[in-house]
Amino acid sequence: DADVTQTPRNRITKTGKRIMLECSQTKGHDRMYWYRQDPGLGLRLIYYSFDVKDINKGEISDGYSVSRQAQAKFSLSLESAIPNQTALYFCATSDFGRGFPDTQYFGPGTRLTVL
Amino acid sequence: GNSVTQMEGPVTLSEEAFLTINCTYTATGYPSLFWYVQYPGEGLQLLLKATKADDKGSNKGFEATYRKETTSFHLEKGSVQVSDSAVYFCALKVPQGAQKLVFGQGTRLTINP
Repeated sequence: DADVTQTPRNRITKTGKRIMLECSQTKGHDRMYWYRQDPGLGLRLIYYSFDVKDINKGEISDGYSVSRQAQAKFSLSLESAIPNQTALYFCATSDFGRGFPDTQYFGPGTRLTVL
Repeated sequence: GNSVTQMEGPVTLSEEAFLTINCTYTATGYPSLFWYVQYPGEGLQLLLKATKADDKGSNKGFEATYRKETTSFHLEKGSVQVSDSAVYFCALKVPQGAQKLVFGQGTRLTINP
C-alpha cells in the first residue's frame, strides 16, 4: 500500500462549488504539506503543518483553507472554486525529527479541473 | 529571496546519450539541494541530495555536485535509458525559518530508443 494517499485522484467541478481534497499518510510523519503544480511553474506551496496544532500559510494560500484532523490526515479545501485553481495538487509529508535536511514524500496527486 | 532556475525543457535524447540538466540557485544562508523526479502519472520522488558545498549526490546512475562558487547543482547521467523519461525538479531548502522546499519549474526529459 502507498505511504501517502490522496483522494480523489481526479475531480471536475464547476465555478463556485466547494471542494475538499484529502490526504492520508501511514509514515508516522509530523509534517505535512499541500502543493499545486502548474505547467512551467514547478510546485508552489499552499499550506503546511508541522503538527496537529501548527498550520501555516505557504506562498499561494489565498482561496484555500486546510484542516489537520489528525497526525495522519491533512485536507485542503477550496471554499468557492474558480477556473484558475485548475491544477495538479500534491500532498507531501516529512519527518524532521530524523535530522536536517528531511526528505519529503509525495502522494500521487489530484488533478482538479474547475469549469 | 530563495529561488531555483532550471534549464528550459523539453529535452529529447537518444538512448545511451549523456545527460545534463542545469540548475542554479539563489539563497540566503547555506541551503541543501535536491533533485526530485516525477514519472508519468505519479508524485515526486527524491532522486538525490547534497547538504554542503562540494558534496556529490548520486542515485540510479545520476549525479549532481553542490558547487557553491557557481551556485549550481547540475544533474548528469552518463548513459540514459528510455525508463529515465520523466520530469526532473531541482529544489533547495534553507535551514532557517520554516525550512520549506523551493522548486524550480521542472524539466521534461524524453528518451527515445
